Amino acid sequence: GQNIDQPTEMTATEGAIVQINCTYQTSGFNGLFWYQQHAGEAPTFLSYNVLDGLEEKGRFSSFLSRSKGYSYLLLKELQMKDSASYLCAVMNSNYQLIWGAGTKLIIKP
Amino acid sequence: IAGITQAPTSQILAAGRRMTLRCTQDMRHNAMYWYRQDLGLGLRLIHYSNTAGTTGKGEVPDGYSVSRANTDDFPLTLASAVPSQTSVYFCASSDSAEMNTEAFFGQGTRLTVV
Repeated sequence: GQNIDQPTEMTATEGAIVQINCTYQTSGFNGLFWYQQHAGEAPTFLSYNVLDGLEEKGRFSSFLSRSKGYSYLLLKELQMKDSASYLCAVMNSNYQLIWGAGTKLIIKP
Repeated sequence: IAGITQAPTSQILAAGRRMTLRCTQDMRHNAMYWYRQDLGLGLRLIHYSNTAGTTGKGEVPDGYSVSRANTDDFPLTLASAVPSQTSVYFCASSDSAEMNTEAFFGQGTRLTVV
């Protein structure tokens, strides 16, 4: 089967750095996405990786290792507004997105 | 306002009733999707449409139907609602189903079937 695994919940402190991991097993690979979803709102796009390595975008970075079936989202200089769920999704060989259940990130002052 | 709009935002529905969730986008995106989101589970694809006039079944299509008569609209119909269809439903669109472009999501419809 196909599955995406990510931690259910993480807690971090304002101003700190947090890394949210995602491991995947899918039928083929056409890229990995990270989305942010605030409570009661729609998911919004954060990043896309298709090649191995690190993609940096402001305070957020995303890393991919295809051989390990692994990605992480790195959030720096955490702000209270970063409290949200972070969704990992992989596009398989049929161009269908397989979604993880999301990681709820709680930021404490 | 550019984007993707869903209606209604929430609904309480009696079991056995028919219900259509509406979704409209004005970005001229070719691909559109319907997902359901349940606590502790990832987004699950119900139906999709790669282009106007075509539709396909996703991971959990039973009890749902869709149509794509034009580029902008992609309604989802529950023919006879059951309590297990209580969920938050998200409509999404992307420029292409086969290019790795980001998906844009509507604000969601919270449906409770009683």
